[in-house]
Amino acid sequence: GDSVTQMEGPVTLSEEAFLTINCTYTATGYPSLFWYVQYPGEGLQLLLKATKADDKGSNKGFEATYRKETTSFHLEKGSVQVSDSAVYFCALSVPRSYNTDKLIFGTGTRLQVFP
Amino acid sequence: EAGVTQFPSHSVIEKGQTVTLRCDPISGHDNLYWYRRVMGKEIKFLLHFVKESKQDESGMPNNRFLAERTGGTYSTLKVQPAELEDSGVYFCASSQDRWRGQFFGPGTRLTVL
Repeated sequence: GDSVTQMEGPVTLSEEAFLTINCTYTATGYPSLFWYVQYPGEGLQLLLKATKADDKGSNKGFEATYRKETTSFHLEKGSVQVSDSAVYFCALSVPRSYNTDKLIFGTGTRLQVFP
Repeated sequence: EAGVTQFPSHSVIEKGQTVTLRCDPISGHDNLYWYRRVMGKEIKFLLHFVKESKQDESGMPNNRFLAERTGGTYSTLKVQPAELEDSGVYFCASSQDRWRGQFFGPGTRLTVL
């Protein structure tokens, strides 16, 4: 079945360090890929998405490229800030109808950034 | 524009009791989803409404869970009777279509003692 695997956390970094959070997937068909972020005390927010191979999603300095050949969607940021501390979730959906299909999530990766 | 809202934010009940969670989607969003995260594990899909119809309920764990969306606006998720393993965070999401993604509410933390 469809699944998402992301790296275990927590990831602990100093401010301005480079961030990579790995995400790989298994899916039938042509999935759309997403990164969601959950800041402390808040709900999930869509961070970025990519709907087809080689697409690059980007937002708030974060980027991820849809790599079909390696079935990956790794999240990167060149210089993290303390305010980026949160839990990051990789997810996919395999649309089987006109409307949005269900999301399948990874386990989440907690990022802690220290000054 | 108001986001997805959920009520209550926290609920603590005893095993065997009934709890009803409510979700108000973003106005105009026909798609409404329920998910839950149990014990720090991955967030798992429960079901999907399109307007008032259940499009996909493959993730509902058992018949103790009942979801409704009368009139195609807000939705409720009832757990009756609640068991210890039902503890977790229940998220609701809504969307207009698959290209614009799903928007999540803050979640309801359910604790069953």
